Amino acid sequence: KAGVTQTPRYLIKTRGQQVTLSCSPISGHRSVSWYQQTPGQGLQFLFEYFSETQRNKGNFPGRFSGRQFSNSRSEMNVSTLELGDSALYLCASSFDPSPYEQYFGPGTRLTVT
Amino acid sequence: KQEVTQIPAALSVPEGENLVLNCSFTDSAIYNLQWFRQDPGKGLTSLLLIQSSQREQTSGRLNASLDKSSGRSTLYIAASQPGDSATYLCAVRRKASYDKVIFGPGTSLSVIP
Repeated sequence: KAGVTQTPRYLIKTRGQQVTLSCSPISGHRSVSWYQQTPGQGLQFLFEYFSETQRNKGNFPGRFSGRQFSNSRSEMNVSTLELGDSALYLCASSFDPSPYEQYFGPGTRLTVT
Repeated sequence: KQEVTQIPAALSVPEGENLVLNCSFTDSAIYNLQWFRQDPGKGLTSLLLIQSSQREQTSGRLNASLDKSSGRSTLYIAASQPGDSATYLCAVRRKASYDKVIFGPGTSLSVIP
């Protein structure tokens, strides 16, 4: 069974631009979560989608948004990029309902200059 | 508010030693707890998942225990190997089965040959 895939793997953007990241979950998984990982803040929850609906949201500004498609693939978008948005963005999928074990993709490394 | 801590932040041991990593959480009303390892610049690899009704889980040289009443989980690694060198993170899913997942800051493990 293929794992969670994320594209692109690396991105370099300029302040003020916007970016879209993509995540394809494991086949059969309908729940997709997004996390931001930085050296200073660690892993922080962004949002979770299930069946095309946002089920949970972390404490991030409205510049961070996401969506999920009918095939469970998910995208997240960051508008008006800031230097502090430089991070590793990780996507995880899980089978819903139980046991909700999360499987992570390799991440997208975003650098904002 | 659920907070997750991990002690120690970093650990260096000689090859062959048995070791214990600690994870503490403030709210005992959890749905499950998951242990991950992360290699530098990579995504997270799931190691063990413990449901709230379970006391421990084992996989190969790894054993994870859960004590909800004291808000603690431990990850025991037997006969450590250099390939075990990585950052180990614990993550707690709050009581509602579809609730947020809160990560600890991680323990950086170095196994010296």
